[in-house]
Amino acid sequence: AQTVTQSQPEMSVQEAETVTLSCTYDTSESDYYLFWYKQPPSRQMILVIRQEAYKQQNATENRFSVNFQKAAKSFSLKISDSQLGDAAMYFCAYRTTGNQFYFGTGTSLTVIP
Amino acid sequence: NAGVTQTPKFQVLKTGQSMTLQCAQDMNHNSMYWYRQDPGMGLRLIYYSASEGTTDKGEVPNGYNVSRLNKREFSLRLESAAPSQTSVYFCASSAFPGHSNQPQHFGDGTRLSIL
Repeated sequence: AQTVTQSQPEMSVQEAETVTLSCTYDTSESDYYLFWYKQPPSRQMILVIRQEAYKQQNATENRFSVNFQKAAKSFSLKISDSQLGDAAMYFCAYRTTGNQFYFGTGTSLTVIP
Repeated sequence: NAGVTQTPKFQVLKTGQSMTLQCAQDMNHNSMYWYRQDPGMGLRLIYYSASEGTTDKGEVPNGYNVSRLNKREFSLRLESAAPSQTSVYFCASSAFPGHSNQPQHFGDGTRLSIL
């Protein structure tokens, strides 16, 4: 079975600074998909960014970007120009071609004004 | 757009009581899922339904049953609730086929407390 590891239970960042959240995964598949979700205190699960394993180019969505290292099985999320609204729990997720999803245990991000 | 709708949002049960959590999606998705979220443990899959008419166990199925009533609806039943089932429950759905970058869409969650 696939496993997803987020080794940073908590992180903090100064407002307007940059922070990187790490995620590693274990898989024997060559084709898969990776996602970062944000969960604010409201409990909603909000998609932040996605990456296809077959694409070498790192995905970018406004202030959010990923560093996808397929050989290292690493998928980190970089948040630039951090804002107070970025404070949340962040989950890394792996999707198999069989449409199953595996989640990490999450990283709680605090943004310091 | 409603997306994924879960009911109820909150529920308190006594040990041994039964209840059903309801979930419906209006995105014509084939696959639906039930997760529980506990502090420090992320989301753990209870059951999923790859398509209408099929259900499969996930990581933590004990104490739960599911029904894929139709393409839209996927319910989760606790037959005899136990305090260990106190958690936040999420329903999610996603499109199929597999060679797609489609994410899961989540409901707002149900906070369930069992006394």
